[in-house]
Amino acid sequence: ILNVEQSPQSLHVQEGDSTNFTCSFPSSNFYALHWYRWETAKSPEALFVMTLNGDEKKKGRISATLNTKEGYSYLYIKGSQPEDSATYLCAFGLVGSSNTGKLIFGQGTTLQVKP
Amino acid sequence: DGGITQSPKYLFRKEGQNVTLSCEQNLNHDAMYWYRQDPGQGLRLIYYSQIVNDFQKGDIAEGYSVSREKKESFPLTVTSAQKNPTAFYLCASSLTALWTGLYQPQHFGDGTRLSIL
Repeated sequence: ILNVEQSPQSLHVQEGDSTNFTCSFPSSNFYALHWYRWETAKSPEALFVMTLNGDEKKKGRISATLNTKEGYSYLYIKGSQPEDSATYLCAFGLVGSSNTGKLIFGQGTTLQVKP
Repeated sequence: DGGITQSPKYLFRKEGQNVTLSCEQNLNHDAMYWYRQDPGQGLRLIYYSQIVNDFQKGDIAEGYSVSREKKESFPLTVTSAQKNPTAFYLCASSLTALWTGLYQPQHFGDGTRLSIL
């Protein structure tokens, strides 16, 4: 059974702190890695789609890195703000699912930023 | 504004009853998906469709059925055979699933919360 693990499960930080969390996935048969942000009472929103080993992507204060050989991705938030409070989901796509768009999701990391 | 609309937001099912969750998109996306979320678990794929009049089972399809008669619409029926239907259901779509499907981000609706009466 293929598994995607996210850690930590939850995180509480103060406004202005920088933070990071991890997504671990099977290193074999990698095809793509997605990150989504899911705010309470809203729909999940795509942050990044990463496909190449060593990929680094950035969107404002949020950035992500990808290591396909060891099977992990890090999501970094620089200078956290209360509006960054959300659940961050990662999802793994493997070779063989490339023509279906089928993703395997982790359980998410819930971030709470205190003002 | 383009997007995905799910309805209803809340739904209650009686024992032995089938209920249908609606999902409509105006993004002109080919691929559509249904996910189920339970507390402490990741999103699990129920069914997906790459093109009109075609759909495939996901990881937890038992007790569910779908149809894809129009590109914009992908309704999910929770049948009486689904013994534990209480969950949060999310519909998603992506531009295309053929060959480059995993390079495309998925766009999600706001979800439907289904409970048992």
